[in-house]
Amino acid sequence: DAKTTQPNSMESNEEEPVHLPCNHSTISGTDYIHWYRQLPSQGPEYVIHGLTSNVNNRMASLAIAEDRKSSTLILHRATLRDAAVYYCILRYGGSEKLVFGKGMKLTVNP
Amino acid sequence: NAGVTQTPKFRILKIGQSMTLQCTQDMNHNYMYWYRQDPGMGLKLIYYSVGAGITDKGEVPNGYNVSRSTTEDFPLRLELAAPSQTSVYFCASSFWVGSDYGYTFGSGTRLTVV
Repeated sequence: DAKTTQPNSMESNEEEPVHLPCNHSTISGTDYIHWYRQLPSQGPEYVIHGLTSNVNNRMASLAIAEDRKSSTLILHRATLRDAAVYYCILRYGGSEKLVFGKGMKLTVNP
Repeated sequence: NAGVTQTPKFRILKIGQSMTLQCTQDMNHNYMYWYRQDPGMGLKLIYYSVGAGITDKGEVPNGYNVSRSTTEDFPLRLELAAPSQTSVYFCASSFWVGSDYGYTFGSGTRLTVV
């Protein structure tokens, strides 16, 4: 499985936008970029995914670099509830599996 | 819809005991998964199933067994519990969203082996 690299942690302020980076320099053409988040004492939660084009949903936006070697999860207006561990994951299009790394802890300051 | 339901939420086992972690989903998803998460780490895949009667090993299957007799249920069996199996266990099922599968997870079972 192709690997992703994320910072160990980031801090943001409430009601400000947050840009969470992810590098995936060995991504292949059939790898989907997925983001999940895990709130304390809960199971992971699907956030968003994309292949080549930028994606928006009610939770976040995903900006994918033109060469697909990096992506950025954008939370447009951070709230305290967004404090979580965020996982950037590459999922091979033909695979049934999702492989998690250690993720990145986001702290949101009031 | 209840989503993915796991029972029990907490359990303490003695070394050598056995138990079954229950997982059920009411979304008619074919794909189901079991993961474990050790403190400060990401999730590791134990077993998965692509439909009733079909299961396959994940990254860390040793010490565990699974069965999938129905679409709804995917129990995880621990035989001869060991301290190394102390972890939080998550069950998940996958759903189609747009162009790929997303996963929905249960709330987890926290298992301690003493």
